[in-house]
Parts: sequence; structure tokens; C-alpha cells
Amino acid sequence: AQTVTQSQPEMSVQEAETVTLSCTYDTSESDYYLFWYKQPPSRQMILVIRQEAYKQQNATENRFSVNFQKAAKSFSLKISDSQLGDAAMYFCAYRSAMGNTPLVFGKGTRLSVIA
Amino acid sequence: DVKVTQSSRYLVKRTGEKVFLECVQDMDHENMFWYRQDPGLGLRLIYFSYDVKMKEKGDIPEGYSVSREKKERFSLILESASTNQTSMYLCASSLRDRTSRGTMNTEAFFGQGTRLTVV
Repeated sequence: AQTVTQSQPEMSVQEAETVTLSCTYDTSESDYYLFWYKQPPSRQMILVIRQEAYKQQNATENRFSVNFQKAAKSFSLKISDSQLGDAAMYFCAYRSAMGNTPLVFGKGTRLSVIA
Repeated sequence: DVKVTQSSRYLVKRTGEKVFLECVQDMDHENMFWYRQDPGLGLRLIYFSYDVKMKEKGDIPEGYSVSREKKERFSLILESASTNQTSMYLCASSLRDRTSRGTMNTEAFFGQGTRLTVV
């Protein structure tokens, strides 16, 4: 079974600075998807960024980018120019590319942004 | 705008009650999921369904059951609520796989969550 590990329960960053959240996963599959979700105090889970395992290029979405290291099974999220609105729980998730499979989540990292 | 709607945002029930949590999605997704979220434990899968009337157990199915009579609706049932089922419950839906509609729509979409308290 696949597992996802987020080793940082809490992180903090100064406004306008850069922070990196870590995620590692364990799988024997070669084709899969990885995601970072954000959960603000409103509790609504929001997709931040996705990565297809067969793509070597790291995904980027505005201030958010990932460092995908397939061989090391590592998928970190970098937030540049941090804003107060980035404060939230961040979850890393894995999904097999084979159909009918759920997302497997890590335990989350709580990010605080200091003004 | 895609939408997953959970019937209640907050719910308080008594021990031993039968509890129904309802979830509806309007995206014609094949897959639907129920997760439980607890501090320090992340999201844990209770049950999921990949088609009408189909269900698969997740990591923590004990004390729960599900029903999917229509494609858009997935219900979570607590047969006899207990205090250790006090938690946040999240419903989600997704496409079955990338071959049906391309590679970009692979993520899960979530409802707003139901915070259930069992007293």
C-alpha cells in the first residue's frame, strides 16, 4: 500500500519570504499523480498544484512550485513571496494512475505566516 | 463551477443514534469518497465508491457504512454513533481515470466538511 509522509507538523515563515514543505511517499508503481492541497480555516480543501509522475518537468503555479524527485520519492512544495493568506494546513497526496483508486494523504503541515 | 455539497456543516448527535451524512456532486464524477480528519492524523479514508451501488472499504471502515444509489449522491451512515466518532468528515469526488477525459482532471474535489460531535 502507498504511504505519504510529511515530516514537518508545523512550519512558519516571514511574510514575503520563501518556505519549503517536505513530502515523501512510498510506492512500487511507476505511473501516478501527486498533489498539494491547502486547507484554510474555512476547512475547504483547495488544490494548490499537481504533478504527473511521467513528466520530468516540475510543476509551477504562480508563487507555488514543486521539486519532484522521482527516484528519491520526494515531492516538496515551495511557496515564494509568502502572503498572510497562505497560512493554512497543507496536505500532500498521492493517487495511482490506475483507475478506481482514492487519494492517499499525509498528516499535514500547519504553515503560519508572520507579518 | 464544480461543486461537492455536504448536507450539514455542523452536527450534534447523541450516543447510539443512527446518523446520516449526505454528499452530492454535480460534476458527473464516477468516484466518490468519505474521509475522516482528526488533528495529527491527517485524512483517513473510510469508504469509497467507483460506481453506483459499488463500495470499497478504506482504512477505517469499522462503525460506518455507505450507500450510493445514484451517481451524484454518496451517503455515510453511522449505524450507532459513539463518542470516538466525533470528528470532521470530508466528502470528495473525482474522475475514474485519465483515459476518460484527459490527464488534467485527476484531482479530487472536496465538500466543505461536516464537523460531527457525538455527546
